[in-house]
Amino acid sequence: ETGVTQSPTHLIKTRGQQVTLRCSSQSGHNTVSWYQQALGQGPQFIFQYYREEENGRGNFPPRFSGLQFPNYSSELNVNALELDDSALYLCASSLGSNGYTFGSGTRLTVV
Amino acid sequence: DQQVKQNSPSLSVQEGRISILNCDYTNSMFDYFLWYKKYPAEGPTFLISISSIKDKNEDGRFTVFLNKSAKHLSLHIVPSQPGDSAVYFCAAGRSGAGNEKLTFGTGTRLTIIP
Repeated sequence: ETGVTQSPTHLIKTRGQQVTLRCSSQSGHNTVSWYQQALGQGPQFIFQYYREEENGRGNFPPRFSGLQFPNYSSELNVNALELDDSALYLCASSLGSNGYTFGSGTRLTVV
Repeated sequence: DQQVKQNSPSLSVQEGRISILNCDYTNSMFDYFLWYKKYPAEGPTFLISISSIKDKNEDGRFTVFLNKSAKHLSLHIVPSQPGDSAVYFCAAGRSGAGNEKLTFGTGTRLTIIP
């Protein structure tokens, strides 16, 4: 049973650029959630996907968007990057209400 | 609006003693609570959870206590071991929300002193 895999592990982007982060969910998990963890803060909910549909969204602007694919893997896209978008982005997969399995995250630095 | 608060950013405990990590919440709609542990360069890993219908849940060295009237929960680790050194996050959720969004606290860095 493989866990949650995120790529890339680290990324440096310039302000105004666009970025795509990827997540492969744990085998059998049909729900993927994305969180942003800024330095010194706890993870903050961005959105969740269930069977390829968005199923809940946190307080993030529309330039944060996502996709879930038929194999339940997922992408997080951020347009028009801002310096404050620098953070650790965590993907978590789950099956029903059995709790999350988190990936190790993607560290995004915007310069 | 910090709905889940961990007011101690750090805690140091002697090996073998009890570690007590605290968490307060403000949203009375939360009905389940979880503790996650995070090592550097890794994602958070689930430790233990508790439903609001209980006031205590135990799993080996880890016990979570919930005081609903005070909107307070705590994680007890006994005896503490060096491998317990990590950042601990408290998280809360609403089972009727239609999704599995969790609201996290800011974390407490626990250091176990050998």
